[in-house]
Amino acid sequence: DTAVSQTPKYLVTQMGNDKSIKCEQNLGHDTMYWYKQDSKKFLKIMFSYNNKELIINETVPNRFSPKSPDKAHLNLHINSLELGDSAVYFCASSHTQGLTGNTIYFGEGSWLTVV
Amino acid sequence: QKEVEQNSGPLSVPEGAIASLNCTYSDRGSQSFFWYRQYSGKSPELIMFIYSNGDKEDGRFTAQLNKASQYVSLLIRDSQPSDSATYLCAVSGSYIPTFGRGTSLIVHP
Repeated sequence: DTAVSQTPKYLVTQMGNDKSIKCEQNLGHDTMYWYKQDSKKFLKIMFSYNNKELIINETVPNRFSPKSPDKAHLNLHINSLELGDSAVYFCASSHTQGLTGNTIYFGEGSWLTVV
Repeated sequence: QKEVEQNSGPLSVPEGAIASLNCTYSDRGSQSFFWYRQYSGKSPELIMFIYSNGDKEDGRFTAQLNKASQYVSLLIRDSQPSDSATYLCAVSGSYIPTFGRGTSLIVHP
C-alpha cells in the first residue's frame, strides 16, 4: 500500500495547456503539502493544507491552484503552463502533533515537462 | 528568513569509510531536525530525525545535533556504494520544515 500516491508520474505537455496532478494519502495525516523540486534539486514548499484549510501559500504564481476536497486528498491544478514550470512536483503529508509530528512523507513525484 | 545551508558537494568517500554530512541553520527557535536521502529520480525518504542535543544512532547512521552552534550532522559508517545519493537536511520550528539544497554523496568501490 503506497502511503502517499500521486498521479500522473510523468506528464509532458505544451505551453499554454492546463493540467492537474492528484494526490492521496492513507496515513491518516492531517496536513498535506505540495513541493516543487527544480533542476538544481532545491525542494521548495508551495502550499500546505491542514484539515482541508490552506495554511501556507508561498510565492507561487496564481496559475497554480491547489484544492483539498478532504484531508486525505490534495490536488494541484496548473493553468497556462510555462516552460519554467518544468520540474518535479512532490505531494507530501505529515501529522502536526509534537516534536516529531512534522516528519514529512513524500509521494513518488510527478515529473512535469513543458515543451 | 529561515535558512538551512548544506555543502552541495559532491562528497566522495571510499567504500567502508565514514561519510560526514553537515548542515547549519539560521533559526535558533528550531526544534526538530531531519535527514532525508534522495536517490536520483526518486522521492526523498526519511532516514532519521533528532530533536535533542547530542547523538542519535540508528544502524550505520548517527545524527549529531548542536543547538548552541546551530548545526546538525549525519555520519554514515561503513559507507556502501548504495549510500550514493543526495542527502537533504530539514529543520523545523513550530511547523513546516525548511529543506537545505542537499549534499551529493558518492561512495566509490
